[in-house]
Amino acid sequence: KQEVTQIPAALSVPEGENLVLNCSFTDSAIYNLQWFRQDPGKGLTSLLLIQSSQREQTSGRLNASLDKSSGRSTLYIAASQPGDSATYLCAVGRGSTLGRLYFGRGTQLTVWP
Amino acid sequence: NAGVTQTPKFQVLKTGQSMTLQCAQDMNHNSMYWYRQDPGMGLRLIYYSASEGTTDKGEVPNGYNVSRLNKREFSLRLESAAPSQTSVYFCASRERGTDTQYFGPGTRLTVL
Repeated sequence: KQEVTQIPAALSVPEGENLVLNCSFTDSAIYNLQWFRQDPGKGLTSLLLIQSSQREQTSGRLNASLDKSSGRSTLYIAASQPGDSATYLCAVGRGSTLGRLYFGRGTQLTVWP
Repeated sequence: NAGVTQTPKFQVLKTGQSMTLQCAQDMNHNSMYWYRQDPGMGLRLIYYSASEGTTDKGEVPNGYNVSRLNKREFSLRLESAAPSQTSVYFCASRERGTDTQYFGPGTRLTVL
């Protein structure tokens, strides 16, 4: 069974800092890895998706990397802003046909001004 | 284009009551999913539907039933609610051949 772990569980940083969120998974036979953002009381929004054959994806100030062999992914947020405050969830996909995802527990990020 | 919608937003039930959570998507997606999210836990898959007319169990299906009414709608039913089913329930959809899932805003359910 795929287990997904996210470290740290919570992070509080001042505005402007660069920060790294970590995700690890136990079974390296993955199809893809996705990072989501969840705001309080809201649904999930997809941020970045990395296919198993890729090493990284970038979107604006966000960069996600994937090391499938070691079972790790990182989400790098550059020049953090208070609007980045949210919970960030990592999810591992096992196959393309069914699209099943296995989620970590998330990292709750607070960026203070 | 509303995306994925869920009703109700909030619900309080007594133990043993039944209810149906509704989910609809207007993106013409083939696949739909029901997840639950408990405090301090990641989302766990309850049931999914790869296409209209098919449903399959996920990680935590006990105590739930689903219906894929048509391509747009995928409902989740609790026949006899239990306090352990207190959770936030999310519906998601995905287009065949793509990998991104689109999530609804969630239903917060409390079972007393």
